Amino acid sequence: DGGITQSPKYLFRKEGQNVTLSCEQNLNHDAMYWYRQDPGQGLRLIYYSQIVNDFQKGDIAEGYSVSREKKESFPLTVTSAQKNPTAFYLCASSSIRDGGGRTGELFFGEGSRLTVL
Amino acid sequence: GESVGLHLPTLSVQEGDNSIINCAYSNSASDYFIWYKQESGKGPQFIIDIRSNMDKRQGQRVTVLLNKTVKHLSLQIAATQPGDSAVYFCAEGTSYGKLTFGQGTILTVHP
Repeated sequence: DGGITQSPKYLFRKEGQNVTLSCEQNLNHDAMYWYRQDPGQGLRLIYYSQIVNDFQKGDIAEGYSVSREKKESFPLTVTSAQKNPTAFYLCASSSIRDGGGRTGELFFGEGSRLTVL
Repeated sequence: GESVGLHLPTLSVQEGDNSIINCAYSNSASDYFIWYKQESGKGPQFIIDIRSNMDKRQGQRVTVLLNKTVKHLSLQIAATQPGDSAVYFCAEGTSYGKLTFGQGTILTVHP
């Protein structure tokens, strides 16, 4: 089945530690995204990448880093510089070519819930 | 910056009723709008989208209305079912794939 796989689903981190969240897609999508969701709030864009080896900061990039070495993979590292990392993290992908697909639709993974102890 | 917001954070309806979820947006240059449904502990799922050059679009049991004059978007769900209970987000996009999401509305359907 085609889709987006995020791992781990739950992750606990001690203060001062870096953690990396995995995101893999087999949809052959060019663009990938990381969003953060806090309780009772909408999604805020952390980083996005429209092509391999290139990525841009979103609205809340401070304290996070990403890489896009392969089309299928877009890992997110939550660094110790992120002061309030406890949140639900969502990875998404989309095709940047409008080849008859839905307009601007993002396909989301099931999310990774990070808790800082 | 641009923002997308919702008028009502919660909505409770009886099973079988029609539901209307509203959304206000501020960026008149948005090219398209999307409604997503998010169940607890899961990622958002696409419901329906609409381009800025349209006023109405219908799907299965859902209709999205766009009023560009007042920058308002709504999602209508017909014959609401308990399985429709979730958080609903509107999102706007101006460049392909980069979306700005609203706060979300919690829809609760009572049997």
